[in-house]
Amino acid sequence: GIQVEQSPPDLILQEGANSTLRCNFSDSVNNLQWFHQNPWGQLINLFYIPSGTKQNGRLSATTVATERYSLLYISSSQTTDSGVYFCAVEAGGFKTIFGAGTRLFVKA
Amino acid sequence: DTAVSQTPKYLVTQMGNDKSIKCEQNLGHDTMYWYKQDSKKFLKIMFSYNNKELIINETVPNRFSPKSPDKAHLNLHINSLELGDSAVYFCASSPITGDPYEQYFGPGTRLTVT
Repeated sequence: GIQVEQSPPDLILQEGANSTLRCNFSDSVNNLQWFHQNPWGQLINLFYIPSGTKQNGRLSATTVATERYSLLYISSSQTTDSGVYFCAVEAGGFKTIFGAGTRLFVKA
Repeated sequence: DTAVSQTPKYLVTQMGNDKSIKCEQNLGHDTMYWYKQDSKKFLKIMFSYNNKELIINETVPNRFSPKSPDKAHLNLHINSLELGDSAVYFCASSPITGDPYEQYFGPGTRLTVT
């Protein structure tokens, strides 16, 4: 089956810093989503991005489907950005595979 | 106006008991899912239902039985609970038109088996 790898596994930032999270996947996918799991456990949709680039405020994402990777950019990080960021891909038949996540801690 | 809701939020029970978790979505979506998140935060799909029909059953013990009475509900019943069933269980839903497969998650149910 499809493998989804996220990097880095852990990331500590000073408030105000920028960062890039990466998601590699091993085969063609129908769609890709980025989620943020906040410290209270809620999974929040960030982007639905099977290809191309999207921006939402300080966050943006780019998926290059032909090269099987996606990037999530966080600019001017804030303490509220802390949590776990997941990449999830769907390869057909309603089966979704999640990466192991990137744990982000933003220091004040 | 919660989009995907789950009850209960917390569930503490003893080994061997039977319990159910309920999920409801008011988004008009056709597909619903159950996921398990373990203590290391790994998220793994358990089941998916499309229009009340089971599509995916991912090597889940048959002690777990999903039930979809209608498109808006997908409940999870667990028999003979074991310690290893302790986890957070998430329900999700997605449309099949527009941005198909864009999933929206419920708040999760933290199950603790003692």
